[in-house]
Amino acid sequence: ETGVTQTPRHLVMGMTNKKSLKCEQHLGHNAMYWYKQSAKKPLELMFVYSLEERVENNSVPSRFSPECPNSSHLFLHLHTLQPEDSALYLCASSQDVRGGTDTQYFGPGTRLTVL
Amino acid sequence: GQQVMQIPQYQHVQEGEDFTTYCNSSTTLSNIQWYKQRPGGHPVFLIQLVKSGEVKKQKRLTFQFGEAKKNSSLHITATQTTDVGTYFCAGAGGFKTIFGAGTRLFVKA
Repeated sequence: ETGVTQTPRHLVMGMTNKKSLKCEQHLGHNAMYWYKQSAKKPLELMFVYSLEERVENNSVPSRFSPECPNSSHLFLHLHTLQPEDSALYLCASSQDVRGGTDTQYFGPGTRLTVL
Repeated sequence: GQQVMQIPQYQHVQEGEDFTTYCNSSTTLSNIQWYKQRPGGHPVFLIQLVKSGEVKKQKRLTFQFGEAKKNSSLHITATQTTDVGTYFCAGAGGFKTIFGAGTRLFVKA
């Protein structure tokens, strides 16, 4: 499946580093999402964008900063992360944000390790 | 806030046995979706249920949506090793989709 791509696939960073995760969707969708998936925890919705406008921010620490320059691209900028931020970060897209009724298509994820 | 609970957390079965995972919401849902995530993979959409009491089948998989639209189940008949992975339900209510914690299925050949 290549509808939603994410780079890098793996990332190891120190707590003082600054890095960015990139997501690109080739499905013509209007909504994009960032999720965090930790071991033994449910998928945690972090941010939702609809037509480049942020419509959801689930009390995510400011060390995570999203950016959506257009409806096909979504970034997650990372700085001064903590070891507990180590997780799989998944990007998803859907046709629209319609009360959560649209099917979400997930990217392969970025496996992040914070040392 | 809205919660979606999913049980069991893990299930070990012998190949050929049946498997069921259950999903319960604290509030009425507009729809429920099911996703499968293979080990090392990402969630992949399986199906969406919208109507009260709806039942849908995909080969050996049967999905049900409760009459009150607050619970759902996924049943796999005669599991195969290719069924291994984590099955997530995702309930839509309000403005967003809430994922359950998932049920991880292990199938022993």
